[in-house]
Formats: sequence, C-alpha cells, structure tokens
Amino acid sequence: EVQLVESGGVVVQPGGSLRLSCAASGFTFDDYTMHWVRQAPGKGLEWVSLITWNGGSTFYADSVKGRFTISRDNSKNSLFLEMSSLRTEDTALYYCAKDREAGMVNRGFDCWGQGTLVTVSS
Amino acid sequence: QSVLTQPPSASGTPGQRVTISCSGSRSNIGSNYVYWYQQLPGTAPKLLIYSINQRPSGVADRFSGSKSGTSASLAISGLRSEDEADYYCAAWDGSLSAWVFGGGTKLTVL
Repeated sequence: EVQLVESGGVVVQPGGSLRLSCAASGFTFDDYTMHWVRQAPGKGLEWVSLITWNGGSTFYADSVKGRFTISRDNSKNSLFLEMSSLRTEDTALYYCAKDREAGMVNRGFDCWGQGTLVTVSS
Repeated sequence: QSVLTQPPSASGTPGQRVTISCSGSRSNIGSNYVYWYQQLPGTAPKLLIYSINQRPSGVADRFSGSKSGTSASLAISGLRSEDEADYYCAAWDGSLSAWVFGGGTKLTVL
C-alpha cells in the first residue's frame, strides 16, 4: 500500500525558515516524480513544486520561487521542502503527492499524504 | 484568482446528474490532459479522473470527464449523498511551467 507521511509543520514567525519532510513507502520511490501541494485554511489547492524521479529537474510556482527549495533522498525514500523568507500567506496544509506514472512528469497526482500544517504568524 | 475557472458551488438531488465545468486556456487545458480531484470534508484530495476521461481503479463509473477546446467538465450521474465534497480540476500549464488548479466547486446533495 502506498503511504506518504508528511512532517515538520510548526508555527513560525514571518521571515523564518522551515524544512518539511515526506516519508514514502509502498512503491519504488526513485521511479516517480514527486510534488508538494498546499491548501490555505478554507481555501483551494495550490501546487507548490515538483522534482523529477532522479532529482534532475525541479519546477516551482511563481509564489514560492526563490524562497522554497524541493529536494529528495532516494536512498531514504524521502522528499523535502526547504522554506525560507516565510510570509503569512504561506500558512497552509502542505501535502506531499506522488505522480501517477513511473518515469514520467506531469501525469497527475495519484496518491496524497495527510498533510502537515505550517502556520506563519508573529 | 485561479488560472482555471470553476463555479464555486453546484447542487443536485439524489439520483440526479450534475456537471461541473472548468475553463482554462490554450496553454493548459487546450494543450494538456485535465485531471479531477475529489476532496471529502477533512480529508486529503483523491484522484477522480485522469487524462481527461480515465478513472483510477476503484472510482465508480458514475463519474466521467470530458474536454472540448479550452474547457473541461466533470459529470456525476446517479448522485449520492456521499458525493458531497469539493471538486477541483487541474492541468499542466506549459507557459507557466507549473500545475494550475481551479478554485474548486463545492457540491451539495440536497
């Protein structure tokens, strides 16, 4: 069974930094592109970033470009999101999501974790 | 303001057929696959439709997707109370080099 478990969400002050993690199991992690998607309280879904299966390519939403960095450790089946210069508008539930097809990019997100809550507040 | 446009709400009675629209542009829906996600209250989103009109294993055939030009639709037939949820469309946008979502449609089963 595919499992994605996010962690690292806390309350942080504006301008602060944070690192989110996602532990993956139940599939061959290094075959799949992985994503971060967020959802502000009471709002819709917003895609944040993706990293290809070998870490060779990364893409970011304009809203986080230059402030967030996505990475992965295939030896530990883990996905990460380094967040810096945090703003109040970054407050959201952050989901880790798996791409649908091995070895492909942008085939949709077929499995999601339960999310980790990041609150940016003074 | 979302790149893809969905109606904020939709409703129907049990047994009815409901459609939810999703409008985009040439750089997203017009040139890439469309995906639909269902989010039940308090839970993570679930893939409902992929590649415009394909259903993952386990998704009821009451759910169907279609696309025409720069717009897409999700149809739910034989509406049930458990279909009450938020529904989101999504597509890759080649101009933005980013995934874009619709703002979501809250479906109420009356």
